[in-house]
Amino acid sequence: EGQLAESGGGLVQPGGSLKLSCGASGFFFSLQSMNWVRQAPGKGLEWISYISSRSTAEYYADSVQGRFTISRDNAKNSLYLQMNSLRADDTAVYFCARGLGNTNYRTHRFDIWGQGTLVTVSS
Amino acid sequence: QSVLTQPPSASGTPGQRVTISCSGSSSNVGNNVVNWYQHLPGRAPKLLIYSDDQRPSGVPARFSGSKSGTSASLAISGLQSDDEADYYCASADDTLNGYVFGPGTKVTVL
Repeated sequence: EGQLAESGGGLVQPGGSLKLSCGASGFFFSLQSMNWVRQAPGKGLEWISYISSRSTAEYYADSVQGRFTISRDNAKNSLYLQMNSLRADDTAVYFCARGLGNTNYRTHRFDIWGQGTLVTVSS
Repeated sequence: QSVLTQPPSASGTPGQRVTISCSGSSSNVGNNVVNWYQHLPGRAPKLLIYSDDQRPSGVPARFSGSKSGTSASLAISGLQSDDEADYYCASADDTLNGYVFGPGTKVTVL
């Protein structure tokens, strides 16, 4: 059974930047698509970004488009989320999740999740 | 505001059957698979049902999923106290080019 572990969360001022990391183990990371999902305090889950196994495709939720960038380093079994121009409503626990399915991302399910890392945007 | 609709809460006594609905549109539920997740506060979400009605290994048969048109449902039979959690449906959305989660349903065992 694979595992994911997020890191890099913390307190950042509005307008600031932060880069999250997600380390993978126990599965062939380079063969799987990956995603970031977040949960704001008292709110539900919100998908925010997807990246294909070879980084040939990236998708973003409208709420983060143009501010966040997803990337990965298959040699390091790592997934990243660069977050710029952070706002108070970006405060959330950020989860990385493996996308499992066939070549069509629309069929994917998120079958492995990390424990999450908390990002707090506040002055 | 999510493009998928779920009831905010559902409840039942131990042993009862609880059903959670998930309503969408032709751009998401009607044209893509639906997955269901169980989430306890402070924990990693857990995949319960994938591809509308498939159970991952290790998920009890008490959990079942179904879909018809633009609506999907999760049923929990033989409700147990451990089932108290938030439940989310999710699907890809062709218009948004990504995935959407429902707002979540909090299940309470009375």
